[in-house]
Amino acid sequence: QQQVKQSPQSLIVQKGGISIINCAYENTAFDYFPWYQQFPGKGPALLIAIRPDVSEKKEGRFTISFNKSAKQFSLHIMDSQPGDSATYFCAASDKAAGNKLTFGGGTRVLVKP
Amino acid sequence: DGGITQSPKYLFRKEGQNVTLSCEQNLNHDAMYWYRQDPGQGLRLIYYSQIVNDFQKGDIAEGYSVSREKKESFPLTVTSAQKNPTAFYLCASSKREDEKLFFGSGTQLSVL
Repeated sequence: QQQVKQSPQSLIVQKGGISIINCAYENTAFDYFPWYQQFPGKGPALLIAIRPDVSEKKEGRFTISFNKSAKQFSLHIMDSQPGDSATYFCAASDKAAGNKLTFGGGTRVLVKP
Repeated sequence: DGGITQSPKYLFRKEGQNVTLSCEQNLNHDAMYWYRQDPGQGLRLIYYSQIVNDFQKGDIAEGYSVSREKKESFPLTVTSAQKNPTAFYLCASSKREDEKLFFGSGTQLSVL
């Protein structure tokens, strides 16, 4: 049972464009929604995270939008740069269940110069 | 330099062989995790440990075993019972009660 569904699987964007990645979840007990960035051959690193008491969080060029009623959240990468080319994973966890993260399938982003 | 060290970076397993992947952290984190990553798929939880001498199965524990004898170390053994072991294995750690995971650089396991 895939509890966190991520789309698209891959996307190509021109330098300076906007990359948008979407995730949908099923478990309404989830209370923490992070995004991780992974470069080839490396482990993922936390990029930005949100809790369900806010609808948007922005850190530099990265923004999370959160829609609790729709059980969806998305990552927007503004002014995309070639250095943003990586695989992005959304995830979710439930504190009451021990904070174990459930990951989406990942999105490979390629930013063309 | 604090962090998580996984070794080896590449590992090859022969049929019927058990292999052990090493994970060491010097972040003084209580919790440690093992995830498996397959191409085009997300990370799936194999085992996790929130305290020394205690660990729990994740979503795909069959064919794997772990130990947690020291706070700093959480080795993963891929046993011969795991019929499809080829994958990228990631170790992670976190502070107790904290959702933020810190990952190692991974071990790529392949079958000869």
